[in-house]
Amino acid sequence: KQEVTQIPAALSVPEGENLVLNCSFTDSAIYNLQWFRQDPGKGLTSLLLIQSSQREQTSGRLNASLDKSSGRSTLYIAASQPGDSATYLCALRVDNQGGKLIFGQGTELSVKP
Amino acid sequence: EPEVTQTPSHQVTQMGQEVILRCVPISNHLYFYWYRQILGQKVEFLVSFYNNEISEKSEIFDDQFSVERPDGSNFTLKIRSTKLEDSAMYFCVSRARMNTEAFFGQGTRLTVV
Repeated sequence: KQEVTQIPAALSVPEGENLVLNCSFTDSAIYNLQWFRQDPGKGLTSLLLIQSSQREQTSGRLNASLDKSSGRSTLYIAASQPGDSATYLCALRVDNQGGKLIFGQGTELSVKP
Repeated sequence: EPEVTQTPSHQVTQMGQEVILRCVPISNHLYFYWYRQILGQKVEFLVSFYNNEISEKSEIFDDQFSVERPDGSNFTLKIRSTKLEDSAMYFCVSRARMNTEAFFGQGTRLTVV
């Protein structure tokens, strides 16, 4: 059974710092991995999607990497801003039957001005 | 930018009552899902829907739950007899194709009292 773990559960950094969020999974047989952002009480906003054949994806200050063999993905945020404060979730698509996503518990990021 | 729209944003219902959560997925998307997030817990998959039928459902999605796409645009989740433990944020999700990004709605917060 696929398990997704995100470490740390919470992170507080000063504005301007570069940071890395981690996502690990137990079964490398995945189709893709998606990173989301969730603001308190809100829905999930898609940040980046990495297909299983890809190593990384970039969007603005965000860079996500995928290493299937080691069961890891990282989300790198450059030059963090207070507006980046949110919970970041990684989710794996593990089948072609229905395409469901399996989520980690998230990392709660706080960027202090 | 196209978005998944959910109504209502918040619903309070008495235990044992039926509720219908409504969603308008992104136009031209083919894959539809419901997820839920109990406060403080992971986002959990409930059901996937494609080509007017359920393609996969989780253990949570028992006989009390049903989904419909009645008119080619709306996508609904019905809970026949709500229980206290059904209290959660329910998210509707749509995807254009199996290997593309999943887009989440803003959620319906269901409170069962």
